[in-house]
Amino acid sequence: DAGITQSPRHKVTETGTPVTLRCHQTENHRYMYWYRQDPGHGLRLIHYSYGVKDTDKGEVSDGYSVSRSKTEDFLLTLESATSSQTSVYFCAINPSGNSYEQYFGPGTRLTVT
Amino acid sequence: AQTVTQSQPEMSVQEAETVTLSCTYDTSENNYYLFWYKQPPSRQMILVIRQEAYKQQNATENRFSVNFQKAAKSFSLKISDSQLGDTAMYFCAFMKVSNDMRFGAGTRLTVKP
Repeated sequence: DAGITQSPRHKVTETGTPVTLRCHQTENHRYMYWYRQDPGHGLRLIHYSYGVKDTDKGEVSDGYSVSRSKTEDFLLTLESATSSQTSVYFCAINPSGNSYEQYFGPGTRLTVT
Repeated sequence: AQTVTQSQPEMSVQEAETVTLSCTYDTSENNYYLFWYKQPPSRQMILVIRQEAYKQQNATENRFSVNFQKAAKSFSLKISDSQLGDTAMYFCAFMKVSNDMRFGAGTRLTVKP
């Protein structure tokens, strides 16, 4: 158990509404990540953070923003949700800057109608 | 950009037998890490095994081992003595030092009793 929780675990929202997903960790790890998982694509990196207020874009960052005001929380925001953002979202942490292995949260299933 | 290819969308194996899942990747980097993750029906992503590119010795974790061929850019996973609990999606992943982890599309493995 990597001590990662995600909230909410499931959400249904309408097109055009803002949505924020939360990732919370209990171990004060520096690196945190947001991925989306879609059939046929595996997981794709949206954004990641390497410290408080330090974030960078990943492979599929368009339409998403992130914030990290505290070490333990990494927020993913969809400013105006679209149906193409229907997906399962995973948060991950890297507990060791040397090995780069990542440990994942339980995921959030988001449906945009 | 790095790409990861898993050419076997689905595989099956009889309980107690051995199965090998294939993964190839494309990169111009010399230093990187490779991983296999397991995703059972619970949707939780579980790290199975990792390999550092600078190590020639193949990684082993209990019944799981890899065949890492750096020149061929191949990273296969062998599961020995397959168990029913090994039934899951398996994802191969590549990561260079920039924290940008790339996943393959996955192989669905079914272990038959």
